[in-house]
Amino acid sequence: EAQVTQNPRYLITVTGKKLTVTCSQNMNHEYMSWYRQDPGLGLRQIYYSMNVEVTDKGDVPEGYKVSRKEKRNFPLILESPSPNQTSLYFCASSAGRMNTEAFFGQGTRLTVV
Amino acid sequence: GEDVEQSLFLSVREGDSSVINCTYTDSSSTYLYWYKQEPGAGLQLLTYIFSNMDMKQDQRLTVLLNKKDKHLSLRIADTQTGDSAIYFCAEKDSGGYQKVTFGIGTKLQVIP
Repeated sequence: EAQVTQNPRYLITVTGKKLTVTCSQNMNHEYMSWYRQDPGLGLRQIYYSMNVEVTDKGDVPEGYKVSRKEKRNFPLILESPSPNQTSLYFCASSAGRMNTEAFFGQGTRLTVV
Repeated sequence: GEDVEQSLFLSVREGDSSVINCTYTDSSSTYLYWYKQEPGAGLQLLTYIFSNMDMKQDQRLTVLLNKKDKHLSLRIADTQTGDSAIYFCAEKDSGGYQKVTFGIGTKLQVIP
C-alpha cells in the first residue's frame, strides 16, 4: 500500500530538548516536504527536498532542520524546540515535476511546554 | 508571494449542494487542487484542475475555474454527513520546483 508514514503521531516535549520527527514514503517519490498546520493559518511549508541531498527552505524554516540522505526518508529536526513550534506537522511526498498529487502522512501533533 | 484565500466555515443540510469558494493571486498557477482533511487525519487529494480548463466533473464533485478572476470553486452535490471535513484549496506555481500554496481551509458542516 502506498503511504507516507510519520512518527510519532503525538509528542509532548520540553523547551530546548532536541527532537526528530521521522517521515518515510514507500513510493520512490523524489519530492518530499514538511508542513505545519496552525488554526487560521492553514498549511505552511517548512522545508522541501527535490531529491537525495537536495533540500531547501520553505516559507517558515526558522527553528527547523531537515536531511535527505535516502530517497525514502525525510526527517524533521528541531534542535531546540520552543513553545511557538507547538503545531500539527505533516510530511508529504510526490513523484516529480509533472505529478499532480501529493500524498500526506497522518500528521504529528507536537506540544512544546 | 502567492496567496490563496478561502472562507472559514460553511454549513449545509444533508442532501443539499455545497459550494466552497477560493481565490488565488498567482497568475502563473499551473494546477489547482482541492484537498479534504477529516478529523485526525492527513490531507487527501479530492480533485484537481489544470489552469487551462474551465470545469472538471468527477461524480458528485464539480470544480469550476474562472482564470480571469482567479476564482476556484468546489461544488459537492447531494452533500452527505460523511462530507463533513475541512477542505483546502491549493495552487501549484509554474516555477522550477513544486511549491504548493494552501489556503487556510474551509470547514464544512453537514447538518442531518
